[in-house]
Amino acid sequence: RKEVEQDPGPFNVPEGATVAFNCTYSNSASQSFFWYRQDCRKEPKLLMSVYSSGNEDGRFTAQLNRASQYISLLIRDSKLSDSATYLCVSRGAAGNKLTFGGGTRVLVKP
Amino acid sequence: SAVISQKPSRDICQRGTSLTIQCQVDSQVTMMFWYRQQPGQSLTLIATANQGSEATYESGFVIDKFPISRPNLTFSTLTVSNMSPEDSSIYLCGASGSSYNEQFFGPGTRLTVL
Repeated sequence: RKEVEQDPGPFNVPEGATVAFNCTYSNSASQSFFWYRQDCRKEPKLLMSVYSSGNEDGRFTAQLNRASQYISLLIRDSKLSDSATYLCVSRGAAGNKLTFGGGTRVLVKP
Repeated sequence: SAVISQKPSRDICQRGTSLTIQCQVDSQVTMMFWYRQQPGQSLTLIATANQGSEATYESGFVIDKFPISRPNLTFSTLTVSNMSPEDSSIYLCGASGSSYNEQFFGPGTRLTVL
């Protein structure tokens, strides 16, 4: 079993709609989590950090459920520019090592 | 956030040769890392580049194949040695200010081995 698992998608989302997807992790010792977005042929860029139960930044909301060991990302009022691969990342107890999920592809269509 | 640059941005190499990739950060950072991203897949950590000492390699990666240098707090190199077509991938440099800060990435080096 992979340490961080994601639904690869794609999630086809009408422009203006809301989309949400989850990421599950197996290492209960993971200290913190991140969502990165990666555009085609580009490097990952940090979208949000999740240190406690959740975080909200504009149209993006991340929630952490430690009991069930999953993190969710919700995107409201989807824009065409939100089309990307969203990477779920955990940071272990050692503090510096990141483990990446396989990514969830989101396609926002007009 | 730190600004990270990598050179070269891409290269096409013959099997059996070696390529050294450079990573430069615009500010001093505590941690630097090297990742590989194969086509259609996510990032896999190769090693942590330690300043002034040998890199810390992840399972499946060895120093003879991927020697790493980190002479100071802003610069690191990764060499892909004795390349084979299976080494064709994107190699990314990552950096963070400390063990507990977010990590940022360079633009990547796209390597094709013929």
